[in-house]
Amino acid sequence: GAVVSQHPSWVICKSGTSVKIECRSLDFQATTMFWYRQFPKQSLMLMATSNEGSKATYEQGVEKDKFLINHASLTLSTLTVTSAHPEDSSFYICSADGLFSDYSNQPQHFGDGTRLSIL
Amino acid sequence: QKEVEQNSGPLSVPEGAIASLNCTYSDRVSQSFFWYRQYSGKSPELIMSIYSNGDKEDGRFTAQLNKASQYVSLLIRDSQPSDSATYLCAGGDSSYKLIFGSGTRLLVRP
Repeated sequence: GAVVSQHPSWVICKSGTSVKIECRSLDFQATTMFWYRQFPKQSLMLMATSNEGSKATYEQGVEKDKFLINHASLTLSTLTVTSAHPEDSSFYICSADGLFSDYSNQPQHFGDGTRLSIL
Repeated sequence: QKEVEQNSGPLSVPEGAIASLNCTYSDRVSQSFFWYRQYSGKSPELIMSIYSNGDKEDGRFTAQLNKASQYVSLLIRDSQPSDSATYLCAGGDSSYKLIFGSGTRLLVRP
């Protein structure tokens, strides 16, 4: 149980393009979803936290107009990288926290990640 | 001081040895701590969680937490080449976010 599906797994696109990444909880209701970015050989950096039906909370230094997050339902959150540039190339990972999750043993359920390459 | 600190490594151990991974944390990080394993190009996979002082064992893995000294460690016994990965230490903050360390790369030599 507690499966999170992230799509697409790999995107290559031209500079200036907007890219949408989907994160779905397949068998539970995700009250909170988290979006992380990971550059090569670096750790996961939290970009934003989203709760269903409300605006996302962005971490310091993350441009909310650049990285649009929508959490319209309890099973789907999307991250849109608008007007992407080469410096946005990274590994983006979503995770979800369910209403009845056992935080102590499994705080978040991670998707498989999306590798974004901007040419 | 970073909130969660780890030595980046690589830590190289021979197959069958014990690998010891360490992590220190700041006051912002609260009571729950987690060790994740991450293979290259993959998302993190939870290995252990610990929130009480002392040791917690699960198979070949033992997590140790010392709140007074603000460190948490992970021991891997009988290390296997398949254990070669980056190990991320994470702590939960008061709002249940996870704060990750930069990770320690482990290499297990056959």
